[in-house]
Amino acid sequence: NAGVTQTPKFQVLKTGQSMTLQCAQDMNHEYMSWYRQDPGMGLRLIHYSVGAGITDQGEVPNGYNVSRSTTEDFPLRLLSAAPSQTSVYFCASTTAGGGANVLTFGAGSRLTVL
Amino acid sequence: KQEVTQIPAALSVPEGENLVLNCSFTDSAIYNLQWFRQDPGKGLTSLLLIQSSQREQTSGRLNASLDKSSGRSTLYIAASQPGDSATYLCAVRPSSSNTGKLIFGQGTTLQVKP
Repeated sequence: NAGVTQTPKFQVLKTGQSMTLQCAQDMNHEYMSWYRQDPGMGLRLIHYSVGAGITDQGEVPNGYNVSRSTTEDFPLRLLSAAPSQTSVYFCASTTAGGGANVLTFGAGSRLTVL
Repeated sequence: KQEVTQIPAALSVPEGENLVLNCSFTDSAIYNLQWFRQDPGKGLTSLLLIQSSQREQTSGRLNASLDKSSGRSTLYIAASQPGDSATYLCAVRPSSSNTGKLIFGQGTTLQVKP
């Protein structure tokens, strides 16, 4: 009963470094997404995927890359980290299609870029 | 552009009080509205989801209402308890969006004092 698992929980990077935030879900959800949460800004959508091999941009995609090679995994890549990317990142998933699609969130990954 | 606002940003009440959290949105073309709870350092947990055709949803001591025409939703918490202390976020899914593209408010941080 793992749900949505995010790793790492905490990470400190220097400006210009690259890293990948991992997200895995075991609920066979078609839809997966990444949000960032900043103080006073709520959560903002970075990228999302409606199924393996399909990704699209959200509200704040710049500086981030994603891929979806399997249904279970949806990694978020920072190619060249910037201080503006200091944030808490949440991965979320749900079933696709209509109806009451309640998002299931991971516990978050707190990233600090120095 | 859809915008979601939650007022107040913070609220402190004594234990046992009934309270109302407010959420407003600028575009009434929504598919559904969700209320989430977030504990410090944790992910988001879905509390209630109201479809656009519904007026309210109830779960235990929680009741959420939706008035699409006025762009408002309220979360009513009856007989508040210290364990209710958390940040509460509302989010709308625009009618034009796919499954999980939610627009979040900034949240209301609730403290219930014993």
